[in-house]
Amino acid sequence: DTGVSQDPRHKITKRGQNVTFRCDPISEHNRLYWYRQTLGQGPEFLTYFQNEAQLEKSRLLSDRFSAERPKGSFSTLEIQRTEQGDSAMYLCASSPKDRDYGYTFGSGTRLTVV
Amino acid sequence: AQTVTQSQPEMSVQEAETVTLSCTYDTSESDYYLFWYKQPPSRQMILVIRQEAYKQQNATENRFSVNFQKAAKSFSLKISDSQLGDAAMYFCAYKAGGTSYGKLTFGQGTILTVHP
Repeated sequence: DTGVSQDPRHKITKRGQNVTFRCDPISEHNRLYWYRQTLGQGPEFLTYFQNEAQLEKSRLLSDRFSAERPKGSFSTLEIQRTEQGDSAMYLCASSPKDRDYGYTFGSGTRLTVV
Repeated sequence: AQTVTQSQPEMSVQEAETVTLSCTYDTSESDYYLFWYKQPPSRQMILVIRQEAYKQQNATENRFSVNFQKAAKSFSLKISDSQLGDAAMYFCAYKAGGTSYGKLTFGQGTILTVHP
C-alpha cells in the first residue's frame, strides 16, 4: 500500500490551455474524492466517485471541468481553457466504503495558470 | 448547509506546552462525524483525530484530545506536550453520518507555530 498518488506534483500552464491531473487511490478503496484548495483556505469539495460512478459534482465544478474514473481505479481531472482563477492545489482522497473514519489524502497537484 | 468555522487564523505555542485550537460548526443533523486534520508544509493532509457525534466521551489519540460540546456545536483540539513536528496548518472538518458518503466540509484552518 503506497497511499494515494497524484501526478504531476506541480503544473504551470498558460491561460487557455487544457490540463489533466491523475490520481491513483489506495487499491482497495472504492470511494474517491477531488477537492480544490486555494492558498490559506480549507479544501473545497469538487466531486465524488463510488467505483466508476460519479455520484456528486459541486457547483464549483464548472463546465470546463470534467472528471473520470474508468473501471473504478485511477481518476483523472481535466480542466479545459484554464483561467487564472483555476490556480490552486487539487487534492485527491480515497476511502473504503464501509469505514467513516476519515480519508487518505494524496499530496496534491499544484496548478499555476499564468 | 453545514458550515465549519475556525476563528483563530494563527496560534503559537512553546515546545512542551499545551495549546487548544477552536472549531465551531453548524448542522441540523444529529448523526455526524468531526475530524481534525493536519497539513504540514509538504501539503499532505493527515488525519489527527475523529469524533462520532453519538459518543459522549471525548476522543483521545496520544498527545491529542478533543473537547466535544454537542449542544454548543463546538469541537476544540488540545495538543499537549507540543513538539516542533506539530507545526502545521490544522483543519477542522465535518461529515454527515448515516448512509451518506464521506464528503467533508472544512474550516478555514489554523496555522500552528511551535517555538523551541
